[in-house]
Formats: sequence, structure tokens, C-alpha cells
Amino acid sequence: SQQGEEDPQALSIQEGENATMNCSYKTSINNLQWYRQNSGRGLVHLILIRSNEREKHSGRLRVTLDTSKKSSSLLITASRAADTASYFCATVSWGNQFYFGTGTSLTVIP
Amino acid sequence: EAGVTQFPSHSVIEKGQTVTLRCDPISGHDNLYWYRRVMGKEIKFLLHFVKESKQDESGMPNNRFLAERTGGTYSTLKVQPAELEDSGVYFCASSQSGHAEQFFGPGTRLTVL
Repeated sequence: SQQGEEDPQALSIQEGENATMNCSYKTSINNLQWYRQNSGRGLVHLILIRSNEREKHSGRLRVTLDTSKKSSSLLITASRAADTASYFCATVSWGNQFYFGTGTSLTVIP
Repeated sequence: EAGVTQFPSHSVIEKGQTVTLRCDPISGHDNLYWYRRVMGKEIKFLLHFVKESKQDESGMPNNRFLAERTGGTYSTLKVQPAELEDSGVYFCASSQSGHAEQFFGPGTRLTVL
């Protein structure tokens, strides 16, 4: 069964605005990771949040995790045109299996 | 440090033909993973090598897919014979033992006509 499921599927914002993407999952996880994929490139690891953590920051990125609701959010503040990409959440099971969602396509308009 | 590389970047073949994809992980990474993304769907796990051993191949769709990692360095994924539904982007990733972060290659886009 599908694990990570991102929402929305597509998001278009103006440069400088904040972008929020959500991820829901179904079963128990060890950690949750967010990745970015620029067109034609591989996935790039952005941030990891463990199941016992609730919030993490890295530069302009803020990730939250609510294990009771089985959901996570990725916030990109002060977006830039270079943030345009697809964003994927990956839930990682205790057996270290990765489950990716279908991704959110973010477009930042200059 | 070189990242994960994959070859070829694109492959177009006809149904029934054979294709072999190659992945070179980051040097020193014992863990190597194969994933596939079919158009519009999620990225799905195929299998996981630890060195030369298959740790988990539960995601392999059927016996037309064969993955190898002889010597525990690079890996190949062979599809024989290819079917239309095998079209998609095949990603390879590697990680160090005990580290959760996976480093992905750029993917191989496979089109089966």
C-alpha cells in the first residue's frame, strides 16, 4: 500500500511567499525525509525528522511531524525561483524501507 | 566526491528487447537501492543491496527484472524481455552503513515502445 502521500499535487506561488507542502502516511515510521527533484535530475536530500521529533529547521526549511495524525509538513520560507522543483516525502520504516509519495510540484514565479 | 551515477540517462527500446541499466554508487557506500517511478505515480522501491547481497528484493515486480551487484561495487538492473508497462524512470541510490540519508543518482528514463 502507498505510504507517503503529498498534498497539494501542484503549487504555484510568487517569489518571496512561503510554500507549504503536506505529507500523510499510514503506518509506523522510524523517520521521515523530504527530498527535492529538479527537472531531469536525481533526488536531493533536504531534511530528516525522526519519529520522536516534532519540528526541525534547516535554513529556510521548516519541517513538522505529527505522529498522532501521521502527517508532516514542509515549509519553505521566502521562496525563490530556484526553489522550483518537485518535492517528495519519504517515510522510512523501522526495517529501513523507504516509501515515497507522488510528490508536490512547486513553481515559484519570479 | 563523485555522486551516484547512472547509465544510460535515456533508453528507448522495443517491447521484447532487453535493457541493462547501470548504477555506480558513491565509493564506500555499502547500501545500494533501486527505485522506479512510473509516469504520474509514486517512486517505488525495487530492491536493496548490502554490499553484494540482496537484503530486500520485495519490490521487484516480476522475474523479468534481474539485479546484480557483483563485487559489491556497481550494480546492474536487467529487464528481459521488456514490456510497455516497464517504462518509467529508474533511480539508484546509495548510503553508508548506519546512515539514514540516501544519495540518489539522476535516474535512467526507460521508454518501451
